Amino acid sequence: SQQGEEDPQALSIQEGENATMNCSYKTSINNLQWYRQNSGRGLVHLILIRSNEREKHSGRLRVTLDTSKKSSSLLITASRAADTASYFCATPNRGTSYGKLTFGQGTILTVHP
Amino acid sequence: GAVVSQHPSRVICKSGTSVKIECRSLDFQATTMFWYRQFPKQSLMLMATSNEGSKATYEQGVEKDKFLINHASLTLSTLTVTSAHPEDSSFYICSASPGQDQETQYFGPGTRLLVL
Repeated sequence: SQQGEEDPQALSIQEGENATMNCSYKTSINNLQWYRQNSGRGLVHLILIRSNEREKHSGRLRVTLDTSKKSSSLLITASRAADTASYFCATPNRGTSYGKLTFGQGTILTVHP
Repeated sequence: GAVVSQHPSRVICKSGTSVKIECRSLDFQATTMFWYRQFPKQSLMLMATSNEGSKATYEQGVEKDKFLINHASLTLSTLTVTSAHPEDSSFYICSASPGQDQETQYFGPGTRLLVL
């Protein structure tokens, strides 16, 4: 298994509903990052949560981190059709806070208008 | 925020030819850039770390003679896919940080390579 596994692989919801995506990792981390990728495009950094943080908010995004379970979740509230994209979690190398990232498999989110 | 560009955005080439992809940090200097590859409906896989003024560091299983990386300046790294084959068709994405101690990385828009 790879560092940063996500579930569900695909999520289909209606506009206005909340979307929750989960990510698990295997080694200790200093931070965990969430990225968004629109189809055929590059990645956009959404939010970074550090290992000493349990929850973080940014607009309609809420990220949690449970280091005891080595898992994180990304919640998008009041989803919009424009939120349709792939979402990835990523972690830097063990023992580092920056540098090369290991990505999860991603969750494909489809928000129907 | 910081901007990273890639050129070209899309390239189609014949099998056996070489293709060069550029990654530029537009408003910051980057001593380190990263190259990733992404197959359809899959995640990003790190290929190599590009270091300005020194040799690139390749991940296990990535052929350094196949994927040549040159980081000639603090704002430009190039990835050359040599003697490309259809199995090299993929989405190539680079990333960079404004500083070595910066946690956030900025990604280029990606280059879609199709080898016929």
